[in-house]
Amino acid sequence: NAGVTQTPKFQVLKTGQSMTLQCAQDMNHEYMSWYRQDPGMGLRLIHYSVGAGITDQGEVPNGYNVSRSTTEDFPLRLLSAAPSQTSVYFCASSYSRGGGSWELFFGEGSRLTVL
Amino acid sequence: SQKIEQNSEALNIQEGKTATLTCNYTNYSPAYLQWYRQDPGRGPVFLLLIRENEKEKRKERLKVTFDTTLKQSLFHITASQPADSATYLCALLLEGGYNKLIFGAGTRLAVHP
Repeated sequence: NAGVTQTPKFQVLKTGQSMTLQCAQDMNHEYMSWYRQDPGMGLRLIHYSVGAGITDQGEVPNGYNVSRSTTEDFPLRLLSAAPSQTSVYFCASSYSRGGGSWELFFGEGSRLTVL
Repeated sequence: SQKIEQNSEALNIQEGKTATLTCNYTNYSPAYLQWYRQDPGRGPVFLLLIRENEKEKRKERLKVTFDTTLKQSLFHITASQPADSATYLCALLLEGGYNKLIFGAGTRLAVHP
């Protein structure tokens, strides 16, 4: 199993450009989420999904859109990039109802720079 | 206000010693507390979970304590090795599901030979 796969690993955008960060998991997990990680701050939840067709906002959703058409895929869209969105983005997945440990499985991250 | 605090300064220790990392929180009532390891340029990897009614949890060389009165968790690595060098994140899981998982900023551990 590949686990959680994110693409691209690195991306540079100009202010106002749009792009999509891809996330796919092959573990049949119902729960998927996107976080951003900034220096000196903990991971912050952007959007999450508890199953195909169901998404909801996290702590910092502004400027981002998501959709969940399949169990495997959970893309994150930046509609009009801003320098404040320069960050490292992580996709994570897990079992429904905690699975006992409430363990999140993370991808390797996508480093985004907005000029 | 609600806060999770982990030492922002790196912890430097000698190989073979016990490393102790601290996670303090205020104004939360977590049901669980997790610890993750993150290597540079990689995603976090889950290590341990401890429940609010557990005082201590062990896994190989790792030990976690959870004191809900002090609002503190301690994470110990015994017989530390240079390969243990990484950033360690604590995360509080509040009632309600994965979207209620709150992460600390992490503490970097450097184990020197």
